[in-house]
Amino acid sequence: DTGVSQNPRHKITKRGQNVTFRCDPISEHNRLYWYRQTLGQGPEFLTYFQNEAQLEKSRLLSDRFSAERPKGSFSTLEIQRTEQGDSAMYLCASSSPSDLEQFFGPGTRLTVL
Amino acid sequence: KQEVTQIPAALSVPEGENLVLNCSFTDSAIYNLQWFRQDPGKGLTSLLLIQSSQREQTSGRLNASLDKSSGRSTLYIAASQPGDSATYLCAVRPDTGGFKTIFGAGTRLFVKA
Repeated sequence: DTGVSQNPRHKITKRGQNVTFRCDPISEHNRLYWYRQTLGQGPEFLTYFQNEAQLEKSRLLSDRFSAERPKGSFSTLEIQRTEQGDSAMYLCASSSPSDLEQFFGPGTRLTVL
Repeated sequence: KQEVTQIPAALSVPEGENLVLNCSFTDSAIYNLQWFRQDPGKGLTSLLLIQSSQREQTSGRLNASLDKSSGRSTLYIAASQPGDSATYLCAVRPDTGGFKTIFGAGTRLFVKA
């Protein structure tokens, strides 16, 4: 069990560029969550996958954000036309079918200049 | 709308002291409550998960209690150590059939040697 991994760990981009983050959950965890965290705040829920199906999306997930989990394993989160307000830590978590305890990855820190 | 509040926002204690961190939530209809630890710039580490039917969970020097009717949970840390210095977050999953998890803003703990 290698835990949840996220890549890249840090991303610096210019406003208007597109970025994509990857999350690899714990193997055999069929539930996957994306969160966004800004300084001094708790994580905010963005979206949830059960296997390959995206079952819940937050209103925070504007049309510039899209998430996929094509084969029910890893997931990607893409932000198009980035804005300075998108600067945050993007966290991924996974949980098993039988236990809803969430295990988090190290996060991807995005800085939009 | 479920809201989660953590008090105090920050706490500084001498090494060896027993301490209590508080978490309150506005809607008692919850599925579970989870406590996490977060070190600066890192992801979240799961500490304890309490299902809605449970009153408390223990792991080592940590004990978490849940009182759904009053909308409160406490995390008790015994014999605090400098290595316990971190931000502690509580998170609630509402019992609404969805998968959104709502976090508090956290309590920043500093244990002085």
